[in-house]
Amino acid sequence: DTGVSQDPRHKITKRGQNVTFRCDPISEHNRLYWYRQTLGQGPEFLTYFQNEAQLEKSRLLSDRFSAERPKGSFSTLEIQRTEQGDSAMYLCASSRPGLGGNTEAFFGQGTRLTVV
Amino acid sequence: RKEVEQDPGPFNVPEGATVAFNCTYSNSASQSFFWYRQDCRKEPKLLMSVYSSGNEDGRFTAQLNRASQYISLLIRDSKLSDSATYLCVVNMFNNNDMRFGAGTRLTVKP
Repeated sequence: DTGVSQDPRHKITKRGQNVTFRCDPISEHNRLYWYRQTLGQGPEFLTYFQNEAQLEKSRLLSDRFSAERPKGSFSTLEIQRTEQGDSAMYLCASSRPGLGGNTEAFFGQGTRLTVV
Repeated sequence: RKEVEQDPGPFNVPEGATVAFNCTYSNSASQSFFWYRQDCRKEPKLLMSVYSSGNEDGRFTAQLNRASQYISLLIRDSKLSDSATYLCVVNMFNNNDMRFGAGTRLTVKP
């Protein structure tokens, strides 16, 4: 399978615990995005990487959230001291640059986080 | 004001109907525009890009109005399989991040 893959697919954690999610983008895609989606809402932008550089970070991303893409390939998203409000689907997407902007972004199936 | 706004619906239409969705965006520097489709509990997938001149793909037509900062999606002869949430996506060239609307839910009924 050469699509975007995310691991784990589901995560249940107790409030206050730390969690880490992984995203493996399509291999030739240099752009990688993290989004959060709750029921009935569209994906909310969290952060964006071009290669290993984190170029933008949403104001939604509190200090408890950190993302890395150390070698410009896979990425991790860590949430420290989880809160119940962090419960959501965390989506990763990747794309490659095109003329005048982005080409199609391909999404992984997401990691569903439940904080209890 | 939200960066990308859509009418959340739901739109409930009979098979064969024509339905149109609009989406407005706040940043006039936005450069690329897309419509994505998301089925229940699935990831979003690209439906079509939106070009300045407007574009058509079978029963689907997308339009862009830069002056009024909105894009539209028209679905003709709707099918049961068109039932999904349609997400408007706007991208700024210099930032290259992609911002999604909240989505418009469509249900096509027999």
